Amino acid sequence: QKEVEQNSGPLSVPEGAIASLNCTYSDRVSQSFFWYRQYSGKSPELIMSIYSNGDKEDGRFTAQLNKASQYVSLLIRDSQPSDSATYLCAVNYGQNFVFGPGTRLSVLP
Amino acid sequence: DTGVSQDPRHKITKRGQNVTFRCDPISEHNRLYWYRQTLGQGPEFLTYFQNEAQLEKSRLLSDRFSAERPKGSFSTLEIQRTEQGDSAMYLCASSYEGPYEQYFGPGTRLTVT
Repeated sequence: QKEVEQNSGPLSVPEGAIASLNCTYSDRVSQSFFWYRQYSGKSPELIMSIYSNGDKEDGRFTAQLNKASQYVSLLIRDSQPSDSATYLCAVNYGQNFVFGPGTRLSVLP
Repeated sequence: DTGVSQDPRHKITKRGQNVTFRCDPISEHNRLYWYRQTLGQGPEFLTYFQNEAQLEKSRLLSDRFSAERPKGSFSTLEIQRTEQGDSAMYLCASSYEGPYEQYFGPGTRLTVT
């Protein structure tokens, strides 16, 4: 069964702190991993993609992938109140994506 | 802006009626996906097209649901004989061929009364 798991949260961090969001997946053959941000009532917005083991940085965001542990994470440095949203992890299974349920992040001023 | 567009943005219908939604993908993208999302859940895959060919359908997609992508451009998703359980956000996304980044449209929120 194709599964993508995330802690539903809410995860609360103070402004300026590092937020750490985690995701595990069940299919070892998955090759593509994505993080999306979704504000309440809006559609998902792509933040980052990662395809290889290790870290990938883009501005305040860092994605980390460990295929052996079937684990992908997203770090948000210097968290801002505007980062408060639900973060969705997506993993490819073949040509399709399976999304996790999302983690709700709240950044407190 | 040439992002993904969807129409309508909101639809309220009575149970038993048929509804149709439209999605216009990013012009260079040859893949188009339909998802359904309910409150507190991630998007659930419904179906996808590569150009005009519908390559995969989820088991979630009952016989009441049909999707088309004539000429490999825009796509329509039709729900026949709507039920209250069909109330959800219907999302369209597009991408280049392959398991690459998908970009979502604003969604169509369906409410079945």
